[in-house]
Amino acid sequence: KQEVTQIPAALSVPEGENLVLNCSFTDSAIYNLQWFRQDPGKGLTSLLLIQSSQREQTSGRLNASLDKSSGRSTLYIAASQPGDSATYLCALNSRERGADGLTFGKGTHLIIQP
Amino acid sequence: EAEVAQSPRYKITEKSQAVAFWCDPISGHATLYWYRQILGQGPELLVQFQDESVVDDSQLPKDRFSAERLKGVDSTLKIQPAELGDSAMYLCASSRRLALSTDTQYFGPGTRLTVL
Repeated sequence: KQEVTQIPAALSVPEGENLVLNCSFTDSAIYNLQWFRQDPGKGLTSLLLIQSSQREQTSGRLNASLDKSSGRSTLYIAASQPGDSATYLCALNSRERGADGLTFGKGTHLIIQP
Repeated sequence: EAEVAQSPRYKITEKSQAVAFWCDPISGHATLYWYRQILGQGPELLVQFQDESVVDDSQLPKDRFSAERLKGVDSTLKIQPAELGDSAMYLCASSRRLALSTDTQYFGPGTRLTVL
């Protein structure tokens, strides 16, 4: 069974710093890996999707990498801003399920201090 | 920009009562998902529809939960009877499902259920 772990569970940094969020998974047979953002009490917003055949994706100040051989992904946020404060969730679309529901980690709660 | 719609946004009920949640996916999205998210956890898939057919309901507690998507468009998730442990955020998502490697799921704002 696919298991997804996100480290750290919580992170607080001053505005302007670059930071890295980590995601690890146990089964490398995946279709893709996605990073989502969730604001308190709200739904999920897709940030980046990395296909199984890709190594990284970039969108603005965000860069996500994927290393299937080691079962790891990172989300890099450059020049952090208070508006980046949210919970960041890593999710995988695994081949094991047959269908394509996502398997999520528990998330990293990020606070950017002004 | 098209969005997934859910209602109600908040629901408070007493245990043993029946509750129902509604979801309207993005137009043209054939695949619809219901997830449950307990506070402090990641979402967990309850049921997946392809058009009006159930593709995966292996994690749906079928003794009390039911889901339908009769015309292959909007969907209803029902709980009867509700239990204290059902308190959670219920999220609906939809996707085009054209290719699994590139398929992005779009999530609605969720329904926050509190069972007293």
